[in-house]
Amino acid sequence: GENVEQHPSTLSVQEGDSAVIKCTYSDSASNYFPWYKQELGKGPQLIIDIRSNVGEKKDQRIAVTLNKTAKHFSLHITETQPEDSAVYFCATPNTGNQFYFGTGTSLTVIP
Amino acid sequence: KAGVTQTPRYLIKTRGQQVTLSCSPISGHRSVSWYQQTPGQGLQFLFEYFSETQRNKGNFPGRFSGRQFSNSRSEMNVSTLELGDSALYLCASSLDRGTTDTQYFGPGTRLTVL
Repeated sequence: GENVEQHPSTLSVQEGDSAVIKCTYSDSASNYFPWYKQELGKGPQLIIDIRSNVGEKKDQRIAVTLNKTAKHFSLHITETQPEDSAVYFCATPNTGNQFYFGTGTSLTVIP
Repeated sequence: KAGVTQTPRYLIKTRGQQVTLSCSPISGHRSVSWYQQTPGQGLQFLFEYFSETQRNKGNFPGRFSGRQFSNSRSEMNVSTLELGDSALYLCASSLDRGTTDTQYFGPGTRLTVL
């Protein structure tokens, strides 16, 4: 099955700085790459996603980049704010629509 | 549009008991997936239902089962509970239009097995 690796597992940044989280995957047929944010006591919420026909997608302070050749995709958060503190997960599905998740990155934004 | 809802939100059971969790997908969504989330193992796929049929299954023992009703609502059942079944159980729904569709998660059911 698919193997998704996510780094780093924890990340602390000063408010206003940028944060980058990276995921690698193993299945070259993967074509959809969502990122989820999970706050304490809540389910994961989709924050941005990208399909394999584009290399980058932006939504205000959040962007995702995809390198299909190297089989990795990254989440970029600029001008971080305390409310960005949460656990972030990357994911990708196999051809059978079964999603595989990274192990999560706990982001702390220090005011 | 209402999001994915899960009931109950919290549950405490003892070893050997069984439990049933419920999930109502977003209106119009036909696929429902279930995940187990634990600090040690992360998010692990349990199974997926589409049109009342189990379409995918993860690597969990047969004590974990599920079903989907004609209105796309889904239930999962865990029999003979073990301490290690304590986890957050998440349900996610998607439209499933024949291509890979975004999964939207519910708030989860926190199961504690004593």
